Amino acid sequence: NAGVTQTPKFQVLKTGQSMTLQCAQDMNHEYMSWYRQDPGMGLRLIHYSVGAGITDQGEVPNGYNVSRSTTEDFPLRLLSAAPSQTSVYFCASSYSRTSGGSSYEQYFGPGTRLTVT
Amino acid sequence: GQQVMQIPQYQHVQEGEDFTTYCNSSTTLSNIQWYKQRPGGHPVFLIQLVKSGEVKKQKRLTFQFGEAKKNSSLHITATQTTDVGTYFCAGRLEGTYKYIFGTGTRLKVLA
Repeated sequence: NAGVTQTPKFQVLKTGQSMTLQCAQDMNHEYMSWYRQDPGMGLRLIHYSVGAGITDQGEVPNGYNVSRSTTEDFPLRLLSAAPSQTSVYFCASSYSRTSGGSSYEQYFGPGTRLTVT
Repeated sequence: GQQVMQIPQYQHVQEGEDFTTYCNSSTTLSNIQWYKQRPGGHPVFLIQLVKSGEVKKQKRLTFQFGEAKKNSSLHITATQTTDVGTYFCAGRLEGTYKYIFGTGTRLKVLA
């Protein structure tokens, strides 16, 4: 298994440009999430999905769109890039299993480092 | 909005000393997870706590979940240089799948 893969690893955009960050997992996980990580602020949830066709907003959804047409893929779209979106973006996937309770341990991809100038 | 605060932000210890990081939520959590992130890497899952007052151990690491399910701690006994990294807690909001991450504690171990 490749686990969670993200492309690209690095990206530089100009203000106003749009792009899609790709995320794929081959573990048949139900749940997928996008986080952004900024220095001193931990990881903040952008959007998440609990299954194909179902998405919901996280803490910081403005400026980002997602869709989940398949179990494997969960792309993140930046509609009109702004310098405030300069960050490291992590995709994560997890699954539901029962072992004395619900477990949703998250598997993270390697991240995409995005710079908006 | 919901917040998960983590203290301290940074901790430098001599190798062999103990280390503790604390996580406090403004709301009750369904469960709490702990992750470790090495410099330049991605977060790696360590453990999940679900029950009120739960304590779990992994070798030199001890994890606790508070009775009110609003706070948690990670204690490392006799730190080693391999423990270097940033430790995050992540609390799951009740009735949702949303995980809110703490701000993290960056641990540096001096040999």
